[in-house]
Amino acid sequence: EDKVVQSPLSLVVHEGDTVTLNCSYEVTNFRSLLWYKQEKKAPTFLFMLTSSGIEKKSGRLSSILDKKELFSILNITATQTGDSAIYLCAANTGNQFYFGTGTSLTVIP
Amino acid sequence: DSGVTQTPKHLITATGQRVTLRCSPRSGDLSVYWYQQSLDQGLQFLIQYYNGEERAKGNILERFSAQQFPDLHSELNLSSLELGDSALYFCASSVGGGGGRETQYFGPGTRLLVL
Repeated sequence: EDKVVQSPLSLVVHEGDTVTLNCSYEVTNFRSLLWYKQEKKAPTFLFMLTSSGIEKKSGRLSSILDKKELFSILNITATQTGDSAIYLCAANTGNQFYFGTGTSLTVIP
Repeated sequence: DSGVTQTPKHLITATGQRVTLRCSPRSGDLSVYWYQQSLDQGLQFLIQYYNGEERAKGNILERFSAQQFPDLHSELNLSSLELGDSALYFCASSVGGGGGRETQYFGPGTRLLVL
């Protein structure tokens, strides 16, 4: 059965901390791994990863994919209260997107 | 703003009823995806349409159906509603029909409450 598992389920940190969110996947015909940020509304796209070992970076956020070990991580450095959200990862198999249940991040001032 | 629009924003109805949710994809996008997000299930893929044709099917109940029209907007029909159908329903769109290297852009969602 195709599945995507995220950990931890929930994380509470102080502003300025660095966090690492994990996403492991087991899907057939894997094509890409996507990260989304969901606040009180629709998920917004962060990264798409297709190749192992190549880091994608956007400001304080970065992500990398390991296709051998079937996982991805999302790093957020110098966290801010505006980073508080649910972070979702999804494995794309071509026609379907399998989402994890998300990691809820709370950043305390 | 992703460019994907969904109506209505909120919907309250009774068990046994039927509702229709509407989605307009981003300009130029040919694929529309429907998802259901509930507190206990997370984001569940329901169905994908590409240029008017059904492309992929996920965990969609038989009571639910969808279609994509020639102008590319899509409708999700939910019938014989049950309490457990209460959820946030998202529509997303992408440029092509799949291939695995596409990004989906999500609409704001329709919150359905079945009483």
